[in-house]
Amino acid sequence: QSVLTQPPSASGTPGQRVTISCSGSTSNIGSYTVNWYQQLPGTAPKLLIYSNNQRPSGVPDRFSGSKSGTSASLAISGLRSEDEADYYCAAWDDSLNGWVFGGGTKLTVL
Amino acid sequence: QVQLQESGPGLVKPSETLSLTCSVSGASIISYYWSWIRQPPGKGLEWIGYISDIGRTNYNPSLKSRVTISLDMSKKQLSLKLSSVTAADTAMYYCVRQQDLLWFDPWGQGTLVTVSS
Repeated sequence: QSVLTQPPSASGTPGQRVTISCSGSTSNIGSYTVNWYQQLPGTAPKLLIYSNNQRPSGVPDRFSGSKSGTSASLAISGLRSEDEADYYCAAWDDSLNGWVFGGGTKLTVL
Repeated sequence: QVQLQESGPGLVKPSETLSLTCSVSGASIISYYWSWIRQPPGKGLEWIGYISDIGRTNYNPSLKSRVTISLDMSKKQLSLKLSSVTAADTAMYYCVRQQDLLWFDPWGQGTLVTVSS
């Protein structure tokens, strides 16, 4: 059971907008910034969004992040087949004094 | 460009100690934290622990009694030791640069460790 809660799956058709939620508590998301990682099939995770809503260089602006209270969301607009991947949220947790992850959301592009 | 390369035995026997090394190239060790993260086959990510450039460590409470992370500044190598392993420790192990308590970037390609007799 992961400390951060994500839906196990999400799907959309090409061109659609999809959102993935990440729910936590006051000891993690409520107090610290949220990051999102994208893991393409057979590869290592890659930083997708940092500090709630910032994109690293090279990440398309189709990807956006937001945070409100103890929840965060990742939005992907103009869905493309190459977006098919697992997405993980993560944050620092004061209670555990360590990093916690969501269980991951498998995004399928129909 | 920062590159992280994990290495170590791909097969470890139950009750033995898992030992991995991560070589850092293209960047300084200084001013960063360095973490190990693992992912069991078909499952999610689990943070194992980190070490700072001055040797301060912090471990996942669930693994703390079995984990040791160390840093060799001269060789620019990070190491992980996990003792008394069981089949539950079978996973892909990733070496990751950690920006303070902010985010992980970049990640190594990972190395798969199987615990089996």
